Amino acid sequence: EDQVTQSPEALRLQEGESSSLNCSYTVSGLRGLFWYRQDPGKGPEFLFTLYSAGEEKEKERLKATLTKKESFLHITAPKPEDSATYLCAVQAVGYSTLTFGKGTMLLVSP
Amino acid sequence: DAGVTQSPTHLIKTRGQHVTLRCSPISGHKSVSWYQQVLGQGPQFIFQYYEKEERGRGNFPDRFSARQFPNYSSELNVNALLLGDSALYLCASSSEGAYNSPLHFGNGTRLTVT
Repeated sequence: EDQVTQSPEALRLQEGESSSLNCSYTVSGLRGLFWYRQDPGKGPEFLFTLYSAGEEKEKERLKATLTKKESFLHITAPKPEDSATYLCAVQAVGYSTLTFGKGTMLLVSP
Repeated sequence: DAGVTQSPTHLIKTRGQHVTLRCSPISGHKSVSWYQQVLGQGPQFIFQYYEKEERGRGNFPDRFSARQFPNYSSELNVNALLLGDSALYLCASSSEGAYNSPLHFGNGTRLTVT
């Protein structure tokens, strides 16, 4: 059974204080690892897809990396508008469905 | 372009009742998936449809059913509602059956069962 574990469950940062979110996974064969952002009362918003170990993707203050066992979402000099829940999900080879973690709730204070 | 649209946005039902949730995918997307998100948890897969055929079903009871129409919109039906069915129901669409394209989610229907 595919499993995704995200840590920490919640993270509080000061504006400009860089940090990383972790996503550990077990999957029979990884087709893709996805990062989403979810604001309160909204649906998840797609951020990145990573397909193979060593791959990195960047978008503004966010950078996602992937190893064979985990993925990191690095947040550089965050701003209050980066506050949200960040969800990680895996897609197994041969399947199109996603298995999600519980998410990390990020709060960035001014 | 319009994103994934879901209706209604909020719904309150009583135990034992039936509910129908609706979803319109992004124009051109032929795959629709349904996920349930309980407060404090990540979304959990319920169904996927592609070209009007069921492609996958998650670990949910037979009280849950879905279908996809010729225009690729979709309905999720839940019978004999239980208190534990209270959740945010998310619809997502993708092109190419989602094998090489990400899921794009709507803002969900918040279902409360009393």
